[in-house]
Amino acid sequence: EADIYQTPRYLVIGTGKKITLECSQTMGHDKMYWYQQDPGMELHLIHYSYGVNSTEKGDLSSESTVSRIRTEHFPLTLESARPSHTSQYLCASSRGTAVNYGYTFGSGTRLTVV
Amino acid sequence: SQQGEEDPQALSIQEGENATMNCSYKTSINNLQWYRQNSGRGLVHLILIRSNEREKHSGRLRVTLDTSKKSSSLLITASRAADTASYFCATVSMNRDDKIIFGKGTRLHILP
Repeated sequence: EADIYQTPRYLVIGTGKKITLECSQTMGHDKMYWYQQDPGMELHLIHYSYGVNSTEKGDLSSESTVSRIRTEHFPLTLESARPSHTSQYLCASSRGTAVNYGYTFGSGTRLTVV
Repeated sequence: SQQGEEDPQALSIQEGENATMNCSYKTSINNLQWYRQNSGRGLVHLILIRSNEREKHSGRLRVTLDTSKKSSSLLITASRAADTASYFCATVSMNRDDKIIFGKGTRLHILP
């Protein structure tokens, strides 16, 4: 059982609302990631962090922001949600370099903006 | 930026048969990984094969890697209904950016 938790699992909100998707892991991993998964299944890296106070944008431009104040917590925030943000958001963490380790994923948050 | 591309996009087989999925990639890699995703869930890491390895086994899973052809295959033997899921290959490139790039996945459906 993966020790990485995402809440909420499902969220339906109105356009213009501010939302925060939570991601927490209890494994002490320094590296954490946010992916957006489209209906065609492809995963797009939108943010990553290699440790506390370190955040970087990923390959896919996103209007979301992230923070990493504690090792175990990597929340993603949308200041003003739009229908184009409707997607599945997956959080992942890694115990070390991708050369040696795979990622552990949370169960995801399915976001619908109406 | 997609690196791996799985083939086929979708596969349906009878329970008990073997399932083979293929992955091709473009640039030199450090390792290649396979993940499984059950419907509506996150991905689960299955196996990692390094660029200097040719074959790896884990239970009913067999992964091969051919770096000269830039391709990998995942074989699931004696398939079960619980194997119904999407399977993704993911690559870690040699350019030292330490990120895993995922393909689009193969949807596998095991028929009872």
